[in-house]
Amino acid sequence: GAVVSQHPSWVICKSGTSVKIECRSLDFQATTMFWYRQFPKQSLMLMATSNEGSKATYEQGVEKDKFLINHASLTLSTLTVTSAHPEDSSFYICSASGTGGGYGYTFGSGTRLTVV
Amino acid sequence: DAKTTQPPSMDCAEGRAANLPCNHSTISGNEYVYWYRQIHSQGPQYIIHGLKNNETNEMASLIITEDRKSSTLILPHATLRDTAVYYCIVQAGANSKLTFGKGITLSVRP
Repeated sequence: GAVVSQHPSWVICKSGTSVKIECRSLDFQATTMFWYRQFPKQSLMLMATSNEGSKATYEQGVEKDKFLINHASLTLSTLTVTSAHPEDSSFYICSASGTGGGYGYTFGSGTRLTVV
Repeated sequence: DAKTTQPPSMDCAEGRAANLPCNHSTISGNEYVYWYRQIHSQGPQYIIHGLKNNETNEMASLIITEDRKSSTLILPHATLRDTAVYYCIVQAGANSKLTFGKGITLSVRP
């Protein structure tokens, strides 16, 4: 079946630094990728949608200059949290759809970001 | 905003069928009903989807009412590993964004 690999699974960083999260589709071409954020005991909140080779479309209220998304190839999308602050601590999840991806969207295993 | 409503929680005994309801009274004709589940601290997992006919796969069955305003996900023989948050989502088509509601927390008890 379709597999999406997300790394790292967890990361701790100091306030003010940047963190990059990678999302790779291992066995299909991900034409569209989505990035979500999930706070404890809450549902997933869509942050942005990216299509390969195009600029990401951000949801209302998500700062595009703070959460940089790159989807330069059909198998890789990255989310960079710039100048991270403690309030950015959250569970970040990517998902992908595309050719050969099967039914539904395939989600990564998530990245737990803690900013100290 | 999510276009579905689900009860916040339910439980069932291990080995019994778990029937998870979902209301989607404003669903459009071209929108599918998708079900995902999220086990604690993991990414969501696709379960099943349907348009108007009932569907079954190795994980579950999906029953959609004739008017398509509600559906039920059936896990025929729940196990402890089925304890998770289950999300019912309506989606217009391939590559359109998924809007997650609060989901229903299913607790399977021994």
